[in-house]
Amino acid sequence: GAGVSQSPSNKVTEKGKDVELRCDPISGHTALYWYRQRLGQGLEFLIYFQGNSAPDKSGLPSDRFSAERTGESVSTLTIQRTQQEDSAVYLCASSLAGGMNTEAFFGQGTRLTVV
Amino acid sequence: AQSVTQLDSHVSVSEGTPVLLRCNYSSSYSPSLFWYVQHPNKGLQLLLKYTSAATLVKGINGFEAEFKKSETSFHLTKPSAHMSDAAEYFCVVSPNDYKLSFGAGTTVTVRA
Repeated sequence: GAGVSQSPSNKVTEKGKDVELRCDPISGHTALYWYRQRLGQGLEFLIYFQGNSAPDKSGLPSDRFSAERTGESVSTLTIQRTQQEDSAVYLCASSLAGGMNTEAFFGQGTRLTVV
Repeated sequence: AQSVTQLDSHVSVSEGTPVLLRCNYSSSYSPSLFWYVQHPNKGLQLLLKYTSAATLVKGINGFEAEFKKSETSFHLTKPSAHMSDAAEYFCVVSPNDYKLSFGAGTTVTVRA
């Protein structure tokens, strides 16, 4: 497709289980971002990938969170031992290149509910 | 460091009347500034962006925003609200690197 694709669109998981969220960026986009949006709040930066550079993981809230990206393609965000406070919409975005002049295109998000 | 403050969490307007969404930023650099819109059950969409060219920026759907460095503001306006403008609006700042810092958002409701 032409846009950023995320799967699944909805995920309900039991507390303590691991989950994996997937993001397919727009083809050719070297920059990829993960954000988290808790109910009624703004977006919280999690992690940024740019080409083959080391990712900026400064936004990951704990060591239960990790993300990978293979080259300039798919990225997966993994949350281990999920907690109820992890419930949120997880948004992925990609852009042609990192930096101030490039528009980030967002996916529809994955709504994660931890019960 | 940079941050964004959206001064109103909720704005309610009548259809056909002007809309004003206020945003103030702080940044150590000369930032890029954006407004994004999020309609219910839809993804975020870029409305407009300021990148140190003209201070008055025109976006999609009749929206525009003015960058005022002296006031560190980037308020979003539209002369005449439409029902389809009901959504969540985010003011976003990006310094001279890649991170986007989002404001908390302003929910716009439009009364018929």
